[in-house]
Amino acid sequence: DAGVIQSPRHEVTEMGQEVTLRCKPISGHDYLFWYRQTMMRGLELLIYFNNNVPIDDSGMPEDRFSAKMPNASFSTLKIQPSEPRDSAVYFCASSFNRKSEKLFFGSGTQLSVL
Amino acid sequence: GEDVEQSLFLSVREGDSSVINCTYTDSSSTYLYWYKQEPGAGLQLLTYIFSNMDMKQDQRLTVLLNKKDKHLSLRIADTQTGDSAIYFCAETFGGSASKIIFGSGTRLSIRP
Repeated sequence: DAGVIQSPRHEVTEMGQEVTLRCKPISGHDYLFWYRQTMMRGLELLIYFNNNVPIDDSGMPEDRFSAKMPNASFSTLKIQPSEPRDSAVYFCASSFNRKSEKLFFGSGTQLSVL
Repeated sequence: GEDVEQSLFLSVREGDSSVINCTYTDSSSTYLYWYKQEPGAGLQLLTYIFSNMDMKQDQRLTVLLNKKDKHLSLRIADTQTGDSAIYFCAETFGGSASKIIFGSGTRLSIRP
């Protein structure tokens, strides 16, 4: 398995533009997580899905952020409109089941909003 | 509330042991984890410990858990330059097996 795949690897955009980050979890994993990493706030859980259903989105910072998981092999995190304070590394992670919760992380998307 | 705390930096000499400490708040955590993040990469699970264990050893890694004090530590024996990374402590929060809370990470640097 190729692991968790995220795209793009880097994204530079201007304030006000829409940004879409993509994630392909490991096949067979039932849980998918979106995290954001910044120097100031560390690693924050934004939202997670179980069997494609959003379970907890309490970490989503505001309505500008939305996430979807239309099927078991694909998820998106969208920011519209983007702001400079959204600049961060966004990680997607997946896990197999509830018991072990070993998270497998993608390589992240480095987002810069100018 | 949910909180996992770590010191931000640790510097050790090559060949010495590194000890990275972590405190957590949720006494109902079932698992506690150590993840490693190398530059430009995602986090990678290093090791984990069940909450009913006091210690776990895996080659150069030793995890110690003090449930009474809610203190977790990671010891790396014979630290090598390849161990330079950020190490994150994490716990399952709220007894839920599906929400993992991470600490801020400890940046480990190795002196020659």
